[in-house]
Amino acid sequence: DAGITQSPRHKVTETGTPVTLRCHQTENHRYMYWYRQDPGHGLRLIHYSYGVKDTDKGEVSDGYSVSRSKTEDFLLTLESATSSQTSVYFCAISESGDYGETQYFGPGTRLLVL
Amino acid sequence: AQKVTQAQTEISVVEKEDVTLDCVYETRDTTYYLFWYKQPPSGELVFLIRRNSFDEQNEISGRYSWNFQKSTSSFNFTITASQVVDSAVYFCALSGDQAGTALIFGKGTTLSVSS
Repeated sequence: DAGITQSPRHKVTETGTPVTLRCHQTENHRYMYWYRQDPGHGLRLIHYSYGVKDTDKGEVSDGYSVSRSKTEDFLLTLESATSSQTSVYFCAISESGDYGETQYFGPGTRLLVL
Repeated sequence: AQKVTQAQTEISVVEKEDVTLDCVYETRDTTYYLFWYKQPPSGELVFLIRRNSFDEQNEISGRYSWNFQKSTSSFNFTITASQVVDSAVYFCALSGDQAGTALIFGKGTTLSVSS
């Protein structure tokens, strides 16, 4: 158990509304990641963080922003949700982010944008 | 470019059969890492194994075994004497060439084990 929680676990929202997903970890890991999982695509990286206030973009970052004001929390925001952002969102952590280090995943958030 | 291909979209077996899940990867890095994750019907992602490119020794863990072959760029996963609880989506993933970057995932193989 990597001590990762995600909230909410399920959310239904309407197109055009802002949505914030939260990832919380209890073990002081430096690196945190947001992925989305879609049928036929596996998981794809949205954004990641390598420390407080240090973030960078991933493969599918358009339409998403992130923030990390505390080590334990990594927030993913959809400023204006679209139907194409309906997905399952996973947060992950790794202790140092070293090349090849194992990433451990949270339980996921299922988001439906109507 | 880095890529992971899991050509088998779905596999169905009967309990006690052996099953092999294929994973082929592409990378230009000389050092890289490969992973397998399991996603059961409950939805969480469970880490199974990590293998680095300079260690080609095959690994066995109970009914699970992994065959890493650099010559064919493959990292296949075999479940011996499958059980219903093995039913899940299995993902193969490749580590990027910089610290903190994405795991590159294959699209996954859905394994269904019937009793």
